[in-house]
Amino acid sequence: AQSVTQLDSHVSVSEGTPVLLRCNYSSSYSPSLFWYVQHPNKGLQLLLKYTSAATLVKGINGFEAEFKKSETSFHLTKPSAHMSDAAEYFCVVSLASGGSYIPTFGRGTSLIVHP
Amino acid sequence: DARVTQTPRHKVTEMGQEVTMRCQPILGHNTVFWYRQTMMQGLELLAYFRNRAPLDDSGMPKDRFSAEMPDATLATLKIQPSEPRDSAVYFCASAPTRQGTFGGELFFGEGSRLTVL
Repeated sequence: AQSVTQLDSHVSVSEGTPVLLRCNYSSSYSPSLFWYVQHPNKGLQLLLKYTSAATLVKGINGFEAEFKKSETSFHLTKPSAHMSDAAEYFCVVSLASGGSYIPTFGRGTSLIVHP
Repeated sequence: DARVTQTPRHKVTEMGQEVTMRCQPILGHNTVFWYRQTMMQGLELLAYFRNRAPLDDSGMPKDRFSAEMPDATLATLKIQPSEPRDSAVYFCASAPTRQGTFGGELFFGEGSRLTVL
């Protein structure tokens, strides 16, 4: 069984300040982990993914995430927020089982960026 | 620029009417997912297919929802009869398969926003 918990439903930051979106997962085996972003009235877009290579993963638009197995965490960070980062962010854990992957989505974190 | 295409983008209908949503996955992707997104429930997995065969549709209300893949380029999600509680955004996502697994990354369409009055 697998699950993912996004610890904050909303995160509010000022433009130019750091962003931290928290994600913890539960998985019986080594999972693949993803962050997706959803802008208003749009579909979800992949930001970055971890698939058992380097634990620090760099994604698009300056985002990165660090896989910490001991803490079962995969937090998303960005050094400096931009207004265009305002969106919904989803953490996803995906586990191979019987030749298929079933992704499990977190509830999402809404990032609000103030001028 | 390969992308998942969903139609219609918006649909307003009356309770009791049949609704069909369509999805064209990215060419070569043989895993297709249907999700429903609402404010209350977030993203819910309704069904998914691999090589056109349904692998899991346990997330769908069986009495009114049905999902099919008539061919590799088309996935459909049908609601009959529709109810106001079905109002949501329905997303289709596709994924490639490598050596029997798809690696986990999903490619989403822009969604079909359904309003049932």
